[in-house]
Amino acid sequence: AQKITQTQPGMFVQEKEAVTLDCTYDTSDQSYGLFWYKQPSSGEMIFLIYQGSYDEQNATEGRYSLNFQKARKSANLVISASQLGDSAMYFCAMREGGNFNKFYFGSGTKLNVKP
Amino acid sequence: NAGVTQTPKFRVLKTGQSMTLLCAQDMNHEYMYWYRQDPGMGLRLIHYSVGEGTTAKGEVPDGYNVSRLKKQNFLLGLESAAPSQTSVYFCASSYGTVSYEQYFGPGTRLTVT
Repeated sequence: AQKITQTQPGMFVQEKEAVTLDCTYDTSDQSYGLFWYKQPSSGEMIFLIYQGSYDEQNATEGRYSLNFQKARKSANLVISASQLGDSAMYFCAMREGGNFNKFYFGSGTKLNVKP
Repeated sequence: NAGVTQTPKFRVLKTGQSMTLLCAQDMNHEYMYWYRQDPGMGLRLIHYSVGEGTTAKGEVPDGYNVSRLKKQNFLLGLESAAPSQTSVYFCASSYGTVSYEQYFGPGTRLTVT
């Protein structure tokens, strides 16, 4: 079974609107971490936001927020007020427990922001 | 402060040739990782290191070897390259484990013909 599932291969959003990128995960561990990364066309991976499994509040970082629904095993990324520079691939990732070799990435969502 | 750097940026190999990819970080991070990124598959962990002199296997270690002789460097070796190893390779480092994000290098695009 897939550890991280991103069901939206590509999405479009109008500039200045909000957009939600979906991510569901599969783990039986109680302790885990969820991450979102951005990969622009230049190729580098940029860390955006982190949510721990025991965190009760949803994580926020500027225009990014993580909608964490533990019972549904979902960790959706919300980008508010989209900008043209947000056009990129977005990857959801999970670290299971403290295991260094259990770090999984989803297949990504390509976001295009339209002017 | 350069962060994480990788050399080379691009490389073309013939089947059976060998090469070493170098990753260097100047953030004094204990943990370092090598990933490969294939189209439509996200990143997969090849090998990782939890400190100088230590290495361990990740999800897809076959065909690769690694060494961490110095804390700041993490080398990925391909002894006999195969076309299936055509990919983009990313190195990353982190200060901690579960809650600390990984800092990525710019990637190395490797083509094996």
